[in-house]
Order: sequence, then C-alpha cells, then structure tokens
Amino acid sequence: QQQVKQSPQSLIVQKGGISIINCAYENTAFDYFPWYQQFPGKGPALLIAIRPDVSEKKEGRFTISFNKSAKQFSLHIMDSQPGDSATYFCAASKGSNYQLIWGAGTKLIIKP
Amino acid sequence: EAQVTQNPRYLITVTGKKLTVTCSQNMNHEYMSWYRQDPGLGLRQIYYSMNVEVTDKGDVPEGYKVSRKEKRNFPLILESPSPNQTSLYFCASSSYRDGNYGYTFGSGTRLTVV
Repeated sequence: QQQVKQSPQSLIVQKGGISIINCAYENTAFDYFPWYQQFPGKGPALLIAIRPDVSEKKEGRFTISFNKSAKQFSLHIMDSQPGDSATYFCAASKGSNYQLIWGAGTKLIIKP
Repeated sequence: EAQVTQNPRYLITVTGKKLTVTCSQNMNHEYMSWYRQDPGLGLRQIYYSMNVEVTDKGDVPEGYKVSRKEKRNFPLILESPSPNQTSLYFCASSSYRDGNYGYTFGSGTRLTVV
C-alpha cells in the first residue's frame, strides 16, 4: 500500500518529441506528488509537484497530469531536448509528513 | 547559497574500517535524511531525522548509524563497512514551505568498500 510504481524503467525519445513517464500509487491518503530530476553525478532536484485538488499543473515544458480515480499521475515533457536527458523519479507523501515514498526511477534519453 | 554539503565525494576503504560521511545544510531545515542509490533499485532511505536528537530508521538501516546533535549536521557512520555497502549515498534536507516539502539533495558520496 505504500508503494509507488513507476514506468517505464527507461525511455528513448527523439528531440522535439513528447516524453511521458507514469506513476501509480495505492494509498489514497497520499496528497503530495512531486517529480525529481537527476543528472549524472548530481543529486536529485525538485522539478514540479502537484496536489490532488487539481488535475494538471504546468511549468514551462513540464506538465504533471493527475488522475485521482485511477490513482495515477504522469510527467509529460513537451518538445523534449537533449538537455532533458536524466533520470526522473516520482514520489508521494501524505499529510504534513516529510517522508517521501519514491518510484524506482526512469532513465530518459533524448536523441538529437 | 542554500545547499547541502556532503564530504567526501569519493571514498575507497577496506572492509571493517570505520568511516563517517558528513552532511551539513545551511537552510535551517528541520528534516534530514540519508539515501543510498544502487542501479535498478532507485533511492532507498537509510535513516532520517525530524529534528535535533530525533532519528528513525528508514528502509535499509542495517550496518549504519546516524546522529543529529545539531540542526545543520547529520553524519552517516559505517562502523564496520562491508562490500555490500558499496553504493552512491545522498544526504537530503527539507522544510515545509508554501505547501511543499521540497527536498534539497547533496551532490553525493560514492563509496567503494573492498
């Protein structure tokens, strides 16, 4: 019930295409869903986050889509660029709880 | 600059030789945590701390110790390292602001135990 399942494990997208990474959760008490981006040799960094009171949040080329009934959320990267090549982690937490439950990560490669 | 500083960045050691990886944050964050990252296994939490003198086990605490005597520091101690602790380690800190729990991660410590 505490797991967050992330897919795919790896993804190759052509430059200019749309990258889509999906996450699913079981615990309906989760109310905070962030995405983190990690470049090689660096720690993960917060990219974008959403709460279940909205179905979509957009920041530049990055969009989170949230489906509360399906207990799924996804990251969409529009007009993907080689600089977006990184590992992406989804996560979830509940209430005023710092503990994040992490997905396993997706290695994204954008081909020029 | 707001940051989490880990030292050392790289460490090669021998089995059984005690070591400490330091972590310090300059953001006055209440929460700090240690993770290890292994290929195909994502981020696994070792220990976390909600505030000074408050620590708790994460998912993979065996073989590790931590302490939180000051708010800014959260060292990770391996009393008797073994080869299965070879990994990439990250320290993170967080504070609740504007409805978000944004984690700030350090740059990582790559540990090899031979």
